[in-house]
Amino acid sequence: EPEVTQTPSHQVTQMGQEVILRCVPISNHLYFYWYRQILGQKVEFLVSFYNNEISEKSEIFDDQFSVERPDGSNFTLKIRSTKLEDSAMYFCAIAEGGTQYFGPGTRLLVL
Amino acid sequence: AQSVTQLGSHVSVSEGALVLLRCNYSSSVPPYLFWYVQYPNQGLQLLLKYTSAATLVKGINGFEAEFKKSETSFHLTKPSAHMSDAAEYFCAVSESGTASKLTFGTGTRLQVTL
Repeated sequence: EPEVTQTPSHQVTQMGQEVILRCVPISNHLYFYWYRQILGQKVEFLVSFYNNEISEKSEIFDDQFSVERPDGSNFTLKIRSTKLEDSAMYFCAIAEGGTQYFGPGTRLLVL
Repeated sequence: AQSVTQLGSHVSVSEGALVLLRCNYSSSVPPYLFWYVQYPNQGLQLLLKYTSAATLVKGINGFEAEFKKSETSFHLTKPSAHMSDAAEYFCAVSESGTASKLTFGTGTRLQVTL
């Protein structure tokens, strides 16, 4: 099973601040995804990323969100101006063999 | 559009008893179906997946699931529950293999009692 790490594991930020969540797949992969899970709710798709471009995004993924793979290894999710409702667990996933494998998540708390 | 319905947000079984977690899906194309498990304060771990091969799929930790197209179901079972099985279980569907997003159900929290 591919290994995916995410940093930081926890982040607390003030409303309106920018946050960057990072995902580091150990091996080279082409397909990346971000999902989020608001406390007590189901896991929701945010965005998929293939060949350095967004391939699909949900209605949650509005203009305050962006993704990039700046150095060919890290895969980042940026939230430009955080809102209280952005508090959630954010999961990165990579795809291999038709299966998505998830990182341990970053718990984001917006105050 | 695709969707997943998990009946029963909480299921409680005795240790050694049968585990049955229900999942029904809706998909406009032949689906790929997955079960993931989430232990407290951890990420999602793949239990098993169905990708149009055998309809009975075996996964890790003794779990298995059967794809029934006529019932649009993909229920998860385990013959004998163990205390370590206590976790949240998510059923998910995608419309194809690698590229498609996963659509998750709302999850079922499994409690295992002595």
